[in-house]
Amino acid sequence: NAGVTQTPKFRVLKTGQSMTLLCAQDMNHEYMYWYRQDPGMGLRLIHYSVGEGTTAKGEVPDGYNVSRLKKQNFLLGLESAAPSQTSVYFCASSLRGLASNEQFFGPGTRLTVL
Amino acid sequence: AQSVTQLGSHVSVSEGALVLLRCNYSSSVPPYLFWYVQYPNQGLQLLLKYTTGATLVKGINGFEAEFKKSETSFHLTKPSAHMSDAAEYFCAVSGYSGAGSYQLTFGKGTKLSVIP
Repeated sequence: NAGVTQTPKFRVLKTGQSMTLLCAQDMNHEYMYWYRQDPGMGLRLIHYSVGEGTTAKGEVPDGYNVSRLKKQNFLLGLESAAPSQTSVYFCASSLRGLASNEQFFGPGTRLTVL
Repeated sequence: AQSVTQLGSHVSVSEGALVLLRCNYSSSVPPYLFWYVQYPNQGLQLLLKYTTGATLVKGINGFEAEFKKSETSFHLTKPSAHMSDAAEYFCAVSGYSGAGSYQLTFGKGTKLSVIP
């Protein structure tokens, strides 16, 4: 099993450009999440999905959109990138949304917006 | 709403010394607590978790944590630090987000350095 994979690993954008980050999991997990990690801030939840075809907002959703057309994939989109979106983005998945369920993380995508 | 406070953004220990990373939580319901480790340029990996039952939880790589309800704490310890323990550690609490599902709220992390 590959677990949770993310593409790309690195990306540099100019302000105003758009891009999509792809997350894939092969564990048949129902729940998927997108986080951003900034120095001294820990991980903050951007959006999440409780199943195929569903999405919901997290703590910091502004400037991002997501889609979950297939159960194994969760896409994070930036329509018009801003320097404030420079960050490391992590995707995670969990079997369900139970309190005891651990989340499995991908390796991250390092995004720089100039 | 739940929250997590990790005391100390940076902790340095000598190789072979005790590792103690502090985590205090706030939760309106009995908490489910997690410790994750992040090695440089990698994603997060679960070290251990507390759900119910025994308050002393053992995890991977010799780490353990004790849930103390009276102190609202879930500190992470390891008796003897190894160079390979150098990483960033995150404490997290599971909180209800509605519609029968739960989310993790993370602390800001503690970076552990191990001095040879």
